[in-house]
Amino acid sequence: EAGVAQSPRYKIIEKRQSVAFWCNPISGHATLYWYQQILGQGPKLLIQFQNNGVVDDSQLPKDRFSAERLKGVDSTLKIQPAKLEDSAVYLCASSSPGGSYTFGSGTRLTVV
Amino acid sequence: AQSVTQLGSHVSVSEGALVLLRCNYSSSVPPYLFWYVQYPNQGLQLLLKYTSAATLVKGINDFEAEFKKSETSFHLTKPSAHMSDAAEYFCAVSDVMAGGTSYGKLTFGQGTILTVHP
Repeated sequence: EAGVAQSPRYKIIEKRQSVAFWCNPISGHATLYWYQQILGQGPKLLIQFQNNGVVDDSQLPKDRFSAERLKGVDSTLKIQPAKLEDSAVYLCASSSPGGSYTFGSGTRLTVV
Repeated sequence: AQSVTQLGSHVSVSEGALVLLRCNYSSSVPPYLFWYVQYPNQGLQLLLKYTSAATLVKGINDFEAEFKKSETSFHLTKPSAHMSDAAEYFCAVSDVMAGGTSYGKLTFGQGTILTVHP
C-alpha cells in the first residue's frame, strides 16, 4: 500500500509568518493524526481526526495552530503566526481499526 | 494519564552484541505498545507492536519485545547488533479507542539513540 504522503519536506520561514503543511493518509484510513516532534524529544500529538471530525485537539495551541480535514481524506495544518519555538518536525500519521499505524516522512520547519 | 519512560537516552554496543533498549509505561487501561525506529531525516518506522495477544512480540529485522504487565515494561531486544541498526528508537503507548476497534493517540518516550561500534 502507498504510504502517508506529506509536503513540503522542508520549510524555512521568518517568525510571525504563516505556513501550511499538507498530508494525504493511506487510502481507507479513517483516523488521521498530526504530531509535533521537537529536536531531542519524542513526538507529541497535536490533533486527531476521525473521518472529518476532531477527536482530540487538547494539545493544539489554538491561538496560532489550526487544522482541517474537510472531506475526511487529506488534511492541512496551519501555523499563523509562527514563533521560534515552533521549529520542529511535523509528522502526519494514519491508522485503521486494529491494523497499521503509519507515519509520513514529516515536514521539517525552521523558524528564524 | 499515560506515560512512557525510556531508560537511557544513549546506548552504545559493539557490532554483534546484544541490543537491549528499556521502556516502562504507565496506563490506566490495558495498553497497546509500540516500538518505532527513526533514521536521520526520516519518519517513524514501526518495528513491532503489542496488542494484547502473545506477550513476546517479534518484529522486523530480528527485533523482539516482551510485555511484562507486572513490571509495566516493554523492553526491546535484538540478539546481534548490525551497523545498520544505528538510529533513534521510540517506545509508545496507546489506549484502545472506544469500541475497541482502533488506536487512540500515541504517547511517546523521549527516545534512545543507539550507536553501534565496529
